[in-house]
Amino acid sequence: DQQVKQNSPSLSVQEGRISILNCDYTNSMFDYFLWYKKYPAEGPTFLISISSIKDKNEDGRFTVFLNKSAKHLSLHIVPSQPGDSAVYFCAASPSNDYKLSFGAGTTVTVRA
Amino acid sequence: DAGVIQSPRHEVTEMGQEVTLRCKPISGHNSLFWYRQTMMRGLELLIYFNNNVPIDDSGMPEDRFSAKMPNASFSTLKIQPSEPRDSAVYFCASSLSYLSGNTIYFGEGSWLTVV
Repeated sequence: DQQVKQNSPSLSVQEGRISILNCDYTNSMFDYFLWYKKYPAEGPTFLISISSIKDKNEDGRFTVFLNKSAKHLSLHIVPSQPGDSAVYFCAASPSNDYKLSFGAGTTVTVRA
Repeated sequence: DAGVIQSPRHEVTEMGQEVTLRCKPISGHNSLFWYRQTMMRGLELLIYFNNNVPIDDSGMPEDRFSAKMPNASFSTLKIQPSEPRDSAVYFCASSLSYLSGNTIYFGEGSWLTVV
């Protein structure tokens, strides 16, 4: 039972344009959300997070938006760079709980 | 700073053999996690330790899987006997504490192939 869903397995975007990755969740107890980035043959690395008390968190080129009523979050990368080509995982957990539920990932390819 | 260190990076073994994967968490981190990544199931949590004590092993698929954490700087995940369906990437991860809001840091993974 996938509690975190990334319905787009892949995304191709031109360098300099915006990348928008989407994530939906079903568990209303989730209140902490993260995005991880993964290069081939490496482990996932933390990218950005947001708690349910916010609806937006920004870190440089990366912004995460949270819509609690829709149980939806998105990651915006602006501008996209070739080094952003990777698999991006959405993850979520309830408060005071170690269990992160991961989405299946979205492979982003940034074209030069 | 040293991150989470895993060994071996790659392992190819025959069905029925014992496999031991090793992990050194980030110094000072109290929580350690073993995850498995497969095409079918994505990233799934196998077991979680807090202060070297196994807290939740509900994700361990079968009795063939076992994990230990004898001290704060070392953990093992053992599969005995191994089967082809165990082929996957096994990630060890650590964090300062189990509470949400504490970032989990992953190792580079151990790529296991059972033939």
